[in-house]
Amino acid sequence: SQQGEEDPQALSIQEGENATMNCSYKTSINNLQWYRQNSGRGLVHLILIRSNEREKHSGRLRVTLDTSKKSSSLLITASRAADTASYFCATDGSGSGSRLTFGEGTQLTVNP
Amino acid sequence: GAGVSQTPSNKVTEKGKYVELRCDPISGHTALYWYRQSLGQGPEFLIYFQGTGAADDSGLPNDRFFAVRPEGSVSTLKIQRTERGDSAVYLCASSSSGGRETQYFGPGTRLLVL
Repeated sequence: SQQGEEDPQALSIQEGENATMNCSYKTSINNLQWYRQNSGRGLVHLILIRSNEREKHSGRLRVTLDTSKKSSSLLITASRAADTASYFCATDGSGSGSRLTFGEGTQLTVNP
Repeated sequence: GAGVSQTPSNKVTEKGKYVELRCDPISGHTALYWYRQSLGQGPEFLIYFQGTGAADDSGLPNDRFFAVRPEGSVSTLKIQRTERGDSAVYLCASSSSGGRETQYFGPGTRLLVL
């Protein structure tokens, strides 16, 4: 079953704009990861944020985590057409061992 | 170094047939995971290996699904008596020790059961 819910389900923006995707989850977590997927194939790991962290940056990516609200956001700044993909959050729940529980993803389209 | 590889990339089979899907994890990674992704959904956990043993197989949907990792490296996911509902992308991931760290995914095997 899916723990996370991404919001929005689909997002369409122009190149150069920022894209913000949100993720909510239900149970307590050890960490939360964001992945990117092109064309329904392999997932590319973007960033991992631990439950005791509030914000993390990697290049044009900024991830925040609010454990009190059980939510996270992924911000992509200065988007490019090549950022077009599906983005998933995945949680590693404190009671679930090492398995990841994924949301249903946000489909991002960046128009040139 | 090389990432996670999966073979075949695509597999088309007929209902009732047996299929095997292979995963080669990143060299040295002791933890290996199988997930299944249906169209428009996020991946769903199937099974997790730590070394040669299945540490968590609670995601396997039924007894038609079985996975092995006999030497602690390559893993094979086996599906017996395939059904049309088994059609999905099967993803494999590995991590260095399985201790709540980054999982690196392969490109997946797209299985179509006719």
